[in-house]
Amino acid sequence: DTEVTQTPKHLVMGMTNKKSLKCEQHMGHRAMYWYKQKAKKPPELMFVYSYEKLSINESVPSRFSPECPNSSLLNLHLHALQPEDSALYLCASSQGGRTYEQYFGPGTRLTVT
Amino acid sequence: ILNVEQSPQSLHVQEGDSTNFTCSFPSSNFYALHWYRWETAKSPEALFVMTLNGDEKKKGRISATLNTKEGYSYLYIKGSQPEDSATYLCAFVTGTASKLTFGTGTRLQVTL
Repeated sequence: DTEVTQTPKHLVMGMTNKKSLKCEQHMGHRAMYWYKQKAKKPPELMFVYSYEKLSINESVPSRFSPECPNSSLLNLHLHALQPEDSALYLCASSQGGRTYEQYFGPGTRLTVT
Repeated sequence: ILNVEQSPQSLHVQEGDSTNFTCSFPSSNFYALHWYRWETAKSPEALFVMTLNGDEKKKGRISATLNTKEGYSYLYIKGSQPEDSATYLCAFVTGTASKLTFGTGTRLQVTL
């Protein structure tokens, strides 16, 4: 199974809501990633988890809170978002290390109203 | 801020045409160069990871070359098919950071 799944596919939330994005992989990968992609822009790294520990935070605002409950799951908790946070949020996993290909999920399309 | 550029931005070819695109990246502190294919409404899919200067990789009708000294990689598609229609992204990795910096992509459309 080389699939990374993400739920939900689409999410509309108000600026006062709290919601979570979920990502799951069963490839035994030890590195998991969150990316944000705005229209016509490349994906931008937000967070990296390595062996279930946060290893990279690309200076992401605290209204985004990642969580890695176990080696197969990655969550992104959202609170008090702004309309400019509307984007496609992609999850990826890899065996770890910079020379390993990353396996991406299909993304969650988030709209903040 | 790393500058990873891809050209052309978009490309429209006919079935059977061969085509190529360019990814330009900083020539210093190189570690790896990734290529991904991203079809609309699907997940980005890894094509190649390249690490050595002069590297050439091939997968079916798609191949890639790497020149780390001058900071570029070419992706070639031989005999384009409609199913090759996608955005092709390269991603640069430095020796000092464990992250991929993506280019803006080349959008390829192949028509019959």
